[in-house]
Amino acid sequence: AQSVTQLDSQVPVFEEAPVELRCNYSSSVSVYLFWYVQYPNQGLQLLLKYLSGSTLVESINGFEAEFNKSQTSFHLRKPSVHISDTAEYFCAVSDGSGTYKYIFGTGTRLKVLA
Amino acid sequence: DTEVTQTPKHLVMGMTNKKSLKCEQHMGHRAMYWYKQKAKKPPELMFVYSYEKLSINESVPSRFSPECPNSSLLNLHLHALQPEDSALYLCASSQRTAGDQPQHFGDGTRLSIL
Repeated sequence: AQSVTQLDSQVPVFEEAPVELRCNYSSSVSVYLFWYVQYPNQGLQLLLKYLSGSTLVESINGFEAEFNKSQTSFHLRKPSVHISDTAEYFCAVSDGSGTYKYIFGTGTRLKVLA
Repeated sequence: DTEVTQTPKHLVMGMTNKKSLKCEQHMGHRAMYWYKQKAKKPPELMFVYSYEKLSINESVPSRFSPECPNSSLLNLHLHALQPEDSALYLCASSQRTAGDQPQHFGDGTRLSIL
């Protein structure tokens, strides 16, 4: 069975500082990996995805994530955060074996401080 | 702006009422999903429709009744709900039901049961 672990429930960071949000997964089959962001009173927005190919994926707003198969990780990073990045971040996994349900992590609340 | 539109944004209902939640997408997606999200938790899958047919019911109580009238619309009919059903209900869609297909979420309906 698959599982996703986001060990950090909250991450406070000062504006313009770098941040890393951690995501580890377990699966016996090949996986697809996603990061979603949820701002207050909104739905989930796709931030970036890893399907295949280059293990480093980037989003248009400066976030990047690296798929590390040996460490079964897909950590999200941003070199310099803004106040507007304050939100809940969810890591999700789906597998390539035929089932297509997302397995979500428990989420990490990123709070950017002025 | 989200490409998946949910109405209403807020709904307050009594335990004996009947109401419906509506979800609409015009991206040509053939897979649509209902999720339930409690505060500070990840979304929990309720139902999946593929090509207008129900393909997954995650053992959801019968007081929730989904309906997919056409490829663009998804409804969730509510009847005799309990206070613990108060939550954010999210609709999502994807091109098809496959692990490599990212899901696009609406902003949700915030439901309160009195």
